[in-house]
Amino acid sequence: SYVLTQPPSVSVAPGQTANISCAGDKLSTKGVHWYQQKPGQAPMLVVYDDWDRPSGIYERFSGSTSVNTATLTITRVDAGDEADYFCEVWDGGSARVFGGGTKLAVL
Amino acid sequence: EVQLLESGGGLVQPGGSLRLSCAASGFTFKNFAMSWVRQSPGKGLEWVSSIGGSGHIRHLPESVKGRFSVSRDNTKDTLYLELNSLRAEDTALYYCAKSNSPLFGSFDHWGQGTLVTVSS
Repeated sequence: SYVLTQPPSVSVAPGQTANISCAGDKLSTKGVHWYQQKPGQAPMLVVYDDWDRPSGIYERFSGSTSVNTATLTITRVDAGDEADYFCEVWDGGSARVFGGGTKLAVL
Repeated sequence: EVQLLESGGGLVQPGGSLRLSCAASGFTFKNFAMSWVRQSPGKGLEWVSSIGGSGHIRHLPESVKGRFSVSRDNTKDTLYLELNSLRAEDTALYYCAKSNSPLFGSFDHWGQGTLVTVSS
């Protein structure tokens, strides 16, 4: 089965840039989606199809992919960005796959 | 405004059954695929099922295939998840999620979830 690997945690100082990675075989062929989940809340889509942003999502959130890695980049990070972030893809067959999630800590 | 309201969760004994519902509003329900995603306490997200807009295409992971079934009623704008032969490891918050396309695509809206607890 297809596997997506994320680092368990990323730490960044306020005002700096956070990069959250998601690794998977031939990931650039699949279309990666990113979700933000704050404590006690439902997940929220922040990037879809590798780099598109839903309406209402700040331009500070952006996505990119290389062959086997996708990256969610958050610029000018503030305390309100503290959350768990999950990548997700359709595996090309019949399954949806989530990464294990990355906890973003703002120092 | 898109709204998804899950219901039907609760405490059930191992081996028992439940039927979850997700009432949708604010969009043309039949035009979009719908999914269930669960989250065990303190854990990550796990995809549980997806169903295409017409209801003909249904997918479930091997971990629940044969025990769970997904369906929808496009006349009532409601999504369902039937859970059978429940196990302790099925304990989780079950979210209903809308896709941004009739088949696959990102989960662009989520409900607040309904809690399923499997325990004797």
